[in-house]
Amino acid sequence: DQQVKQNSPSLSVQEGRISILNCDYTNSMFDYFLWYKKYPAEGPTFLISISSIKDKNEDGRFTVFLNKSAKHLSLHIVPSQPGDSAVYFCAARGPPGSSNTGKLIFGQGTTLQVKP
Amino acid sequence: NAGVTQTPKFQVLKTGQSMTLQCAQDMNHNSMYWYRQDPGMGLRLIYYSASEGTTDKGEVPNGYNVSRLNKREFSLRLESAAPSQTSVYFCASSEPISYGYTFGSGTRLTVV
Repeated sequence: DQQVKQNSPSLSVQEGRISILNCDYTNSMFDYFLWYKKYPAEGPTFLISISSIKDKNEDGRFTVFLNKSAKHLSLHIVPSQPGDSAVYFCAARGPPGSSNTGKLIFGQGTTLQVKP
Repeated sequence: NAGVTQTPKFQVLKTGQSMTLQCAQDMNHNSMYWYRQDPGMGLRLIYYSASEGTTDKGEVPNGYNVSRLNKREFSLRLESAAPSQTSVYFCASSEPISYGYTFGSGTRLTVV
């Protein structure tokens, strides 16, 4: 059972426009959410995170929004650049008392292509 | 500033062969992890080690064993490789969750 889902395998946007990547989760007890970026032949790199007590976190061109009632997370990239083309994974930290306590559960990933 | 180093980067095994994937981190992190990445499946946790001397199973541990040799090193062993273990394997380490995990560059394993 996939607890963290990224339902869009791919997304293509024009340079300078906004990219919106989405992520849904099933467990309301997740307390921390993260986004990772992965280039081919490299490991994922941490991009931005948000605690469940917040609904927004911003870092430069990257903003993560958390809607707890909808169990939905999104990453906004504004403006998008060709160098942003990569696979993006969302992840949630396993809640206390579960078999995944403290460990990250990842979504399937979304491949973003930013066209010049 | 190496971060997390994985060896080898590529490996081809025949079914039934064994091998050990090596991982070392130089950030003095307590926790270390092994994940596998498969198309459409994201990253799935195989084993993890919360601290030196402890290891525990993750979501997909069957067919694997691990050793936390010391605080720096966490190895993953395939005793009898199967084609279903063809994947890209990532090692990671972490401390405060707000900084996320630091991943190695991966080992691409093919079992034929």
